[in-house]
Amino acid sequence: GAVVSQHPSRVICKSGTSVKIECRSLDFQATTMFWYRQFPKQSLMLMATSNEGSKATYEQGVEKDKFLINHASLTLSTLTVTSAHPEDSSFYICSARQKGGGAREKLFFGSGTQLSVL
Amino acid sequence: DAKTTQPPSMDCAEGRAANLPCNHSTISGNEYVYWYRQIHSQGPQYIIHGLKNNETNEMASLIITEDRKSSTLILPHATLRDTAVYYCIVRVSTGGSQGNLIFGKGTKLSVKP
Repeated sequence: GAVVSQHPSRVICKSGTSVKIECRSLDFQATTMFWYRQFPKQSLMLMATSNEGSKATYEQGVEKDKFLINHASLTLSTLTVTSAHPEDSSFYICSARQKGGGAREKLFFGSGTQLSVL
Repeated sequence: DAKTTQPPSMDCAEGRAANLPCNHSTISGNEYVYWYRQIHSQGPQYIIHGLKNNETNEMASLIITEDRKSSTLILPHATLRDTAVYYCIVRVSTGGSQGNLIFGKGTKLSVKP
């Protein structure tokens, strides 16, 4: 199946610093990528939807100036957590929608990034 | 909000079939039923999806009722590595929603030796 690579898998940072997470589709073009956040023992919550070459669409309650999303190419989207605080500590997961996937398309997920803000 | 209802947890003996139910009574005609699973601290893994016909692949079978208001995911011979949280999701495959997945709480399946 298609592969989505997410990097880094784990990051620890100090409060106030910024962290960038990369999401790459390795063997297909992704017109749309989604970013999710998951707190311990909870389900995945959609944060934002990014389309290649345009601004991301954020879900209600997600600060766009804090969670910067860039989707500059059909194979790469990045999420930057700016001025991270301990409450931003979470498991961040990206997923990619294949271009031209058709009616039976699937979404492919990265392996996730565990962010710990000290 | 998620449009599906699943039991919070289930146990299954290793080697036996695991049958995971899902209710989606408000499903629309153009919405597919998708199943993903998430093993601890990993990203979700696609299992199977269908519209109205039963589907089978190398991982599982999906049985959808004729009225499409419920479905069952079947893992024919569960192994310890199938222990995970299983998510049943209804989704419009294309269109204005851009096809995102809305996750409910899923079913935590524990396969026991």
